[in-house]
Amino acid sequence: DVVMTQSPLSLPVTLGQPASISCRSSQSLVHSDGNTHLNWFQQRPGQSPRRLIYKVSNRDSGVPDRFSGSGSGTDFTLKISRVEAEDVGVYYCMQGTHWPFTFGPGTKVDIK
Amino acid sequence: EVQLVESGGGLVQPGGSLRLSCAASGFTFSGYWMSWVRQPPGKGLEWVANIKEDGSEKYHVDSVNGRFTVSRDNAKNSLYLQMNSLRAEDTAVYYCARGAGRDHPDWWGQGTLVTVSS
Repeated sequence: DVVMTQSPLSLPVTLGQPASISCRSSQSLVHSDGNTHLNWFQQRPGQSPRRLIYKVSNRDSGVPDRFSGSGSGTDFTLKISRVEAEDVGVYYCMQGTHWPFTFGPGTKVDIK
Repeated sequence: EVQLVESGGGLVQPGGSLRLSCAASGFTFSGYWMSWVRQPPGKGLEWVANIKEDGSEKYHVDSVNGRFTVSRDNAKNSLYLQMNSLRAEDTAVYYCARGAGRDHPDWWGQGTLVTVSS
């Protein structure tokens, strides 16, 4: 199975400051269709997960543009340009290229 | 608007069975793969199973293979998960989700809690 790792696992941030989460996969996520299926999900406290980013860098409808995704192959990053209070929660990367699909352990973002 | 509403969770003894349901609305259910993803209390997300649009292909992760079975009824816009031989480690919130792999899931239900305990 593809192992997804994230760092840091806990990320205290100051409101208005940037935040960055790293995600690495144990093998390349380039699919036979030519795309890299790396997704990012946000789970706010007490809520279901919500997809933020798909195919590395494509933001979902309604996701603020302060969220951005980048990376290739096995190394990926989620960045929040200026953290707001509503961004508190756990962020998961997930690979949709190889079965079984797997999630990272999650990064907990909270406010200092 | 897309809606996924799970039901059927509850407390069950080890070795017991439970059947989860997911009622879908707001989209063409028969046009999507569907999935079950679970989350043990206070822990991360784990894929459980997924099923093709017409039900002709099903995939289950190793930890549930042979015990859980995913199915669907497109006439009823419903997804199911039959869970047998339940273990304590199956305790989790089970989410119904639209899509399977690649860029999915793109929509999640609110989840239903399954607790396996004597």
